[in-house]
Formats: sequence, C-alpha cells, structure tokens
Amino acid sequence: SQQGEEDPQALSIQEGENATMNCSYKTSINNLQWYRQNSGRGLVHLILIRSNEREKHSGRLRVTLDTSKKSSSLLITASRAADTASYFCATRNTGGFKTIFGAGTRLFVKA
Amino acid sequence: ETGVTQTPRHLVMGMTNKKSLKCEQHLGHNAMYWYKQSAKKPLELMFVYSLEERVENNSVPSRFSPECPNSSHLFLHLHTLQPEDSALYLCASSQDGTGEREQYFGPGTRLTVT
Repeated sequence: SQQGEEDPQALSIQEGENATMNCSYKTSINNLQWYRQNSGRGLVHLILIRSNEREKHSGRLRVTLDTSKKSSSLLITASRAADTASYFCATRNTGGFKTIFGAGTRLFVKA
Repeated sequence: ETGVTQTPRHLVMGMTNKKSLKCEQHLGHNAMYWYKQSAKKPLELMFVYSLEERVENNSVPSRFSPECPNSSHLFLHLHTLQPEDSALYLCASSQDGTGEREQYFGPGTRLTVT
C-alpha cells in the first residue's frame, strides 16, 4: 500500500529559483528518506531524516519533518538545470521493515 | 556509479520465454532488493533478501522467481510473463535489511514483454 504521497505531481521552475516538494504519509514512521531519479535510471539517495529530527541540510538541499502533521518537505535552493529529475519520498513505518516509496514529484528546471 | 550493477540494461522477451535479470553489488552490503517501476505508479517492492535469506515477498506472482546465491549477487528469473509485466526493474542494496539505512540502486533493466 502507498504510504508517502508527494505534492505537487509536477513542478516547472526557472533556473535559480527554489523548488519545494512535499510528502505526506499516513502512519507513524521511524524515518523518511528522499531520493532523486533521472529519467529511466536508478534512484539516488539524497537525505534520511529520523522521526526525532526536525530538519536536515545537505548542500543546497533542506529537508524538514513534521511528525504531528505527518508531512515532510524537500527544498532545493538556487536550482540548476541538472536538478531536473523525479523526486521520491520513502518511509519506513514504525515496527516495519519495508521502505515504501511514493509516486514522486517530477521537477523540470528551465535554463 | 552507485556500486550496484544490473544486466542486461534492456530486455525484450516473448511471453513464452525464460530469462534472468542479474544484479551485483560491490559495497559489502548485507541486504538486497528487487523493485518494479511502472509508468506513473509508485515504486513497488517485490523481494527483500537479508544475509541471503528472503525476508519479504510482497505478493509477487510466481512467474517471478528470485535467487540470492550470496550477499553480492541477486537474480530475478522470469518465465511466462505477461505484457503488463513490462516495466523498469530496479535492484538495490543496503547495509542491512532493517530499513534504517539508505538504499543504493542500480541503473535498472528495462523489460518489454511482447
């Protein structure tokens, strides 16, 4: 069953702008991860945030987690054309062993 | 390069054929996964192996048969597939199978069933 749901499904921005993608989930989680996938390729892990963390940074990426709202956001600052990809959130439920992926947000950054 | 390789990268097979997908990880990980990715659908977990033992079979039809001979290699044997099985098949590995560690994905095998 699908756990994480990304919003929006697709996003188109100009190079240099910030991109924000959101993920909502239904049940309690141990951690939430964000992955990127270039067209037709494998996924690349970006950030893992645990349920007791509220914010993490990695370069131009900022991830927040609000467990009370069961939601997370991924912010990409100063976007580049090379950031064009699909972005997925994935959750590991409390007491579970599976990582469940959402359907993804397709980001298009125009040069 | 993520340290996970998959062969072949593309495969076209008829419904009566038998073929195998291969995955190899060079990261010293103990868990390996098969996922199916169809257009406009979430990534579907198919199988999880931890320390060469299958720990998850996500209600996958028996026409898909996994094999994990050691912690570095994972196979997916295919037989009598249906056209709806056409998809991108992704292999991944992680340090362990607890779900606490990130997964490293291979580039995938694009499968077309005719």
